[in-house]
Amino acid sequence: KAGVTQTPRYLIKTRGQQVTLSCSPISGHRSVSWYQQTPGQGLQFLFEYFSETQRNKGNFPGRFSGRQFSNSRSEMNVSTLELGDSALYLCASSPQGVTEAFFGQGTRLTVV
Amino acid sequence: AQSVTQLDSQVPVFEEAPVELRCNYSSSVSVYLFWYVQYPNQGLQLLLKYLSGSTLVKGINGFEAEFNKSQTSFHLRKPSVHISDTAEYFCAVSASAGKSTFGDGTTLTVKP
Repeated sequence: KAGVTQTPRYLIKTRGQQVTLSCSPISGHRSVSWYQQTPGQGLQFLFEYFSETQRNKGNFPGRFSGRQFSNSRSEMNVSTLELGDSALYLCASSPQGVTEAFFGQGTRLTVV
Repeated sequence: AQSVTQLDSQVPVFEEAPVELRCNYSSSVSVYLFWYVQYPNQGLQLLLKYLSGSTLVKGINGFEAEFNKSQTSFHLRKPSVHISDTAEYFCAVSASAGKSTFGDGTTLTVKP
């Protein structure tokens, strides 16, 4: 079974721009979660989608948004990028129920 | 709400020595507990999980952890470490599907 795939792996953007990151979950997994990882704040939960609906949301500003498609693939969007948005963005998928998360390799976003 | 405290930010140890990485958690509801490992520029990989049942949980790569409800702890142990165990280790708790709260991580450095 293929793992969680995140694209692109690396991204450089300029302040004020917007960016879209993509995540393809493991086949059959309907839950997709997004996390931001930075040296200062560690791993922070952004949001989770299940069957195209946002089910959980972390404490991030409205510039951070996401969506999930009918095939469970998910995208997250960050608008009006700030330097502090530079981070490793990790996507994780899970089968139904409370189980472990299966993580992708992440997208390293650098805002300059 | 849940919180996780990893008591050691860095743990240096010599090869073939035993190691313990400490994790305490706080939650007003029952939670599931996890340990993940992260290698440089990679996503997180599940080492082991506690969902219910036996409080001693065995995982991959020779790691094990013990759930202690009275002390709200979930410490990770390995009797003999290898150079290849050098990585960052994260303790996590989850009370609802698709959302985990992570500790700040412990960097394990195994020296020859």
